[in-house]
Amino acid sequence: AQSVSQHNHHVILSEAASLELGCNYSYGGTVNLFWYVQYPGQHLQLLLKYFSGDPLVKGIKGFEAEFIKSKFSFNLRKPSVQWSDTAEYFCAVIFNTGGFKTIFGAGTRLFVKA
Amino acid sequence: ETGVTQSPTHLIKTRGQQVTLRCSSQSGHNTVSWYQQALGQGPQFIFQYYREEENGRGNFPPRFSGLQFPNYSSELNVNALELDDSALYLCASSLQGAGNTIYFGEGSWLTVV
Repeated sequence: AQSVSQHNHHVILSEAASLELGCNYSYGGTVNLFWYVQYPGQHLQLLLKYFSGDPLVKGIKGFEAEFIKSKFSFNLRKPSVQWSDTAEYFCAVIFNTGGFKTIFGAGTRLFVKA
Repeated sequence: ETGVTQSPTHLIKTRGQQVTLRCSSQSGHNTVSWYQQALGQGPQFIFQYYREEENGRGNFPPRFSGLQFPNYSSELNVNALELDDSALYLCASSLQGAGNTIYFGEGSWLTVV
């Protein structure tokens, strides 16, 4: 069965620290990969996505992610976080198994100290 | 603002009752998917509809059913409600095809008592 794992459930950083959130999935076929952010009281917003091409993708607000096919990973990074990045981050994968199935990771709550 | 609207925003139902949640997709989007998000968890995929046909389903029992209409709006129906069905139900729309983003609505909060 397909699955998506996010390794860190809670992360606390100081402003200007670097961020890396892990995401791994289990499936050997075609996938589309996303990172979403959910700020307190708001709906899910797309940070970035990967469908094909350059495995290093850049998103909004200075975020980037790298798809490493051999490791089934799609880790999210930001060189220098800000207090306003405090939110919950979700990795999501669309699996094409003859039908489409979208699976989200459990989420990582990031708290950035000012 | 994603252009995806859901109704109602909040509702309370009694165990055993049935509920219908509605979603209006972003203009031009032909694919809609529904998710259940319990408190403190990530969204769980319920199913997806493309041009009025279900073309993907997660691990939810048959009492969770859906419809997509010719104008691409959608309904999620849940029969025989259970206490564990209490959650935020999210609708998302997209244009079927590679490279297309899923846009989420703000959700419908369902409480089953």
